Amino acid sequence: QVQLKESGPGLVQPSETLSLTCTVSGFSLTSYGVNWVRQPPGKGLEWMGTIWNDGSTDYNSALKSRLSISRDTSKSQVFLKMNSLQTEDTAIYLCAREMNWELGFDYWGQGVMVTVSS
Amino acid sequence: DIQMTQSPASLSASLGETISIECLASEGISSYLAWYQQKPGKSPQLLIYGANSLQAGVPSRFSGSGSGTQYSLKISSMQPEDEGDYFCQQSYKFPRTFGGGTKLELK
Repeated sequence: QVQLKESGPGLVQPSETLSLTCTVSGFSLTSYGVNWVRQPPGKGLEWMGTIWNDGSTDYNSALKSRLSISRDTSKSQVFLKMNSLQTEDTAIYLCAREMNWELGFDYWGQGVMVTVSS
Repeated sequence: DIQMTQSPASLSASLGETISIECLASEGISSYLAWYQQKPGKSPQLLIYGANSLQAGVPSRFSGSGSGTQYSLKISSMQPEDEGDYFCQQSYKFPRTFGGGTKLELK
């Protein structure tokens, strides 16, 4: 069955770089896009970026200067790297599958909580 | 960026009641609109895509409608398992943006 699972450090120091991995199963990264979405505790959802089935990417302009999304199709993994972290980047980070613009994010990972603190 | 204004922010409904949640986009989004349900401690679940298409496995009491800038999610006959937060999301333009959410509780 389709599964996505995020992994990464739970605590990051301010000004450091966050590295997260989304490991997928049950589908191919060459057929589906994967999005990163974050949710500060008790707050709403913020779309961060997408890596499409062809490897191209789209980023939220508010984060673009700090954010990079890449993948390793052989390992069925999608990577998020974001630098210069601040306390306001504390959030649950989720990855979600998407086939195209019309069909929504149909499967989501469970999320990983990242706290930015010294 | 397209702003998605969702209302109400919170809602309390009785068992069997029909409820509606509205989402207003700051510009037309051509029905590139999805609705998600999120329960506490869980990730969002896709309910509706393309403004009015029911995602597989979602109960038929959920329905979506709208066009242009105005969209709505309807739950006919509120059930206990429908409690949670609901979000709309546009995918017409980048950046994709979400509504602020509606917290639905059983009265």
